Amino acid sequence: EIVMTQSPAILSVSPGERATLSCRASRDVSGNLAWYQRKPGQAPRLLIYGASTRATGIPARFSGSGSGTEFTLTINSLQSEDFAVYYCQQYNNWPPWTFGQGTKVEIK
Amino acid sequence: QLQLLESGPRLVKTSETLSLTCTVSGDSISGSSYYWGWIRQPPGKGLEWIGSISSSGTARYNPSLTSRVTTSVDTSKNQFSLSLTSVTAADTAIYYCARRMWTLGVFDYWGQGTRVTVYS
Repeated sequence: EIVMTQSPAILSVSPGERATLSCRASRDVSGNLAWYQRKPGQAPRLLIYGASTRATGIPARFSGSGSGTEFTLTINSLQSEDFAVYYCQQYNNWPPWTFGQGTKVEIK
Repeated sequence: QLQLLESGPRLVKTSETLSLTCTVSGDSISGSSYYWGWIRQPPGKGLEWIGSISSSGTARYNPSLTSRVTTSVDTSKNQFSLSLTSVTAADTAIYYCARRMWTLGVFDYWGQGTRVTVYS
């Protein structure tokens, strides 16, 4: 099973600033990496797949990069609605698909 | 707009069976080029994929749960279901249903989740 490790666990950012979230895979997952956003009481939302492809309707301030074992989600000019928990997920090796523990982006 | 809604008991007694249903609206499960899956999140932990099933009934499960998990699909009701037997406190979690892309292991639509507590 591939273990996904996200850092930091909590990221404090001021509105309008940039947030950089990291995700590391225990083995090479190529570019088969997705990012999700989860807000309390809401359905998780797919942001990025293929490491860097934005899902339908996702604003351009969200961008993903990386390949192999190191990945980054960048959120430029953080908006109030962006404060949430973000998860990465590898889908290169299954079963099982595996997720990271999450990074909480909170208001500084 | 595709919507998924989980339903089922919020409390399940230890050693019994957890059963949840996901009702899909805005798209037909039947004949669709997607898998329909379950993911959970125990308190204080990350997300865990449980299993996925196609509209034709082809299912895949997490090896850590495969002995206790069964999924099914009811195309007439546009629903799919999860059954988890012999539950323990470790099965206490928020359970999400989601749609998975056919060719990618990416979950593009999710339900908002339902919290299930296992009690003794």
